[in-house]
Amino acid sequence: AQTVTQSQPEMSVQEAETVTLSCTYDTSESDYYLFWYKQPPSRQMILVIRQEAYKQQNATENRFSVNFQKAAKSFSLKISDSQLGDAAMYFCVAVSGSRLTFGEGTQLTVNP
Amino acid sequence: NAGVTQTPKFQVLKTGQSMTLQCAQDMNHEYMSWYRQDPGMGLRLIHYSVGAGITDQGEVPNGYNVSRSTTEDFPLRLLSAAPSQTSVYFCASSRPTGAGNTIYFGEGSWLTVV
Repeated sequence: AQTVTQSQPEMSVQEAETVTLSCTYDTSESDYYLFWYKQPPSRQMILVIRQEAYKQQNATENRFSVNFQKAAKSFSLKISDSQLGDAAMYFCVAVSGSRLTFGEGTQLTVNP
Repeated sequence: NAGVTQTPKFQVLKTGQSMTLQCAQDMNHEYMSWYRQDPGMGLRLIHYSVGAGITDQGEVPNGYNVSRSTTEDFPLRLLSAAPSQTSVYFCASSRPTGAGNTIYFGEGSWLTVV
């Protein structure tokens, strides 16, 4: 079985500040990927960042970066210089083979 | 344009009616899957397919069935709609792990059963 847990149902951050969203996962697979997807009110699923489990280096995409701790099965997302457009639901997703497993999501509010 | 196409985007059904949500992808992806998203919740897997002719159940399959006669198409059928099936439905496609995969999602289908 594969599980993904996001322990923060809601988070808020001031514009221009930094926020970290938490995610832990559990999988018995050795070959897997981890993703963060953003879902604005339109419900569109937008890829934020992805991490291959075999890579030790943490992925970075502009203002978004992850802290991937493989032994601890932790995959947190850091958003730097938060912008109003970052406000959305964020999902942590684990993928192994054909199986996608989603966390419950974290609703991020960005305050001006 | 490459991607996942879902139709219809919005649908209202009466209890007991049947309908099919269409999903098509043009990226030659082996894996396709259907999810439902209820308000304030994550996505729950309904059915998935690892290739043409192969389908399997996810965590919430009751009331739905699927088929995969071609690589491109993966329709989801609601057999006898119930109010509990009011939700937003997403189709997704991807390649096998290790092939540089990214998950591609359709834009969602908003279904209301009255």
